[in-house]
Amino acid sequence: GENVEQHPSTLSVQEGDSAVIKCTYSDSASNYFPWYKQELGKRPQLIIDIRSNVGEKKDQRIAVTLNKTAKHFSLHITETQPEDSAVYFCAAKKAGYGNKLVFGAGTILRVKS
Amino acid sequence: NAGVTQTPKFQVLKTGQSMTLQCAQDMNHNSMYWYRQDPGMGLRLIYYSASEGTTDKGEVPNGYNVSRLNKREFSLRLESAAPSQTSVYFCASSEVEAGTDTQYFGPGTRLTVL
Repeated sequence: GENVEQHPSTLSVQEGDSAVIKCTYSDSASNYFPWYKQELGKRPQLIIDIRSNVGEKKDQRIAVTLNKTAKHFSLHITETQPEDSAVYFCAAKKAGYGNKLVFGAGTILRVKS
Repeated sequence: NAGVTQTPKFQVLKTGQSMTLQCAQDMNHNSMYWYRQDPGMGLRLIYYSASEGTTDKGEVPNGYNVSRLNKREFSLRLESAAPSQTSVYFCASSEVEAGTDTQYFGPGTRLTVL
């Protein structure tokens, strides 16, 4: 089955710097890649997603890139702010399997002010 | 809309006790899911229900059962709790037919098994 690896497990950046989190997936049939943000003690919430027919997607300070050949996708956060501090999860989904997501283990992002 | 709701928010059980975690969504979604979240292991799928009347095992189903009571409600039962089931449990729902794949999560249930 699908396996998603996420790196790094923790990331500390200075406020205003950029942060990049990378995920690799194993199943080339996966076609949907969401990113979720989870603040301490709260539920995961979708922040951005990308489908396999798109190479990059942006939403203000957040962007996601997908390299289907290498089977990896990345989350880019620019001009980081203290409120970006959270755990970020990537996930992958394969077509034809309902909506089953396989999640990465998560990245703890700390933005230091 | 309340979105996805879960009860209870916290629960402490003794080994061998049973309990049912309740989940309901008011977004008219077809698909519902149960995950557990353990430190350093992300979210792991326990069971899911692609539509009313169907349930399927996920990645870690052992020790759990589920019931899709109706389109709104999806419950998770622990028949004989074990300390290894200490975790935070999240319910989620989604509507694939609408052309989106977004899963919406409930607030979670923090379960401790002594």
